[in-house]
Amino acid sequence: NAGVTQTPKFRILKIGQSMTLQCAQDMNHNYMYWYRQDPGMGLKLIYYSVGAGITDKGEVPNGYNVSRSTTEDFPLRLELAAPSQTSVYFCASSSPGQGSSYEQYFGPGTRLTVT
Amino acid sequence: DQQVKQNSPSLSVQEGRISILNCDYTNSMFDYFLWYKKYPAEGPTFLISISSIKDKNEDGRFTVFLNKSAKHLSLHIVPSQPGDSAVYFCAASTLTGANSKLTFGKGITLSVRP
Repeated sequence: NAGVTQTPKFRILKIGQSMTLQCAQDMNHNYMYWYRQDPGMGLKLIYYSVGAGITDKGEVPNGYNVSRSTTEDFPLRLELAAPSQTSVYFCASSSPGQGSSYEQYFGPGTRLTVT
Repeated sequence: DQQVKQNSPSLSVQEGRISILNCDYTNSMFDYFLWYKKYPAEGPTFLISISSIKDKNEDGRFTVFLNKSAKHLSLHIVPSQPGDSAVYFCAASTLTGANSKLTFGKGITLSVRP
């Protein structure tokens, strides 16, 4: 049982480049989330999904896109990387209201630098 | 506008003593609160939670207290151990929402001195 996995662990992008951050979970959770954490700050929600085919914006969605074609995978796309997107990105999943508690399970993170 | 506030950025305690980490919130719609622990280069891991229908929840060395009237919660760690040294995030949610989104505080860095 791997839980939530994220790839890559590290990445350096040049301004204007694009990339996809991968996230997968093997817990059959319906809900998945993408957060970013800037230095000295809490986690801010970028996008979330309550099930396959359903996504919605969080607090800081500009510059990002997501898709959810399967229950297991929730990739995050950066189209035109900007220095302001330098951050650590965390993916999380949860299964609220199904006889379990409401905590989210997090992946190890992707550290992204845009120069 | 920060809805979840952890006003103290750091805390240092002696091994064996009690660690008290504080958190305040402004949104009265929050009805579920969680504490996460984070080590460097790792993702946050769930520690303990409390629903607004309770004022205390205990799990081993960890106890969370909720004061709804003051919109304040605290995490008590007794006794503190060097392995508890980490960043602790307070988070809040509304169970009635359809998405269970979490709003996080900025975190408190706890250092436990041997």
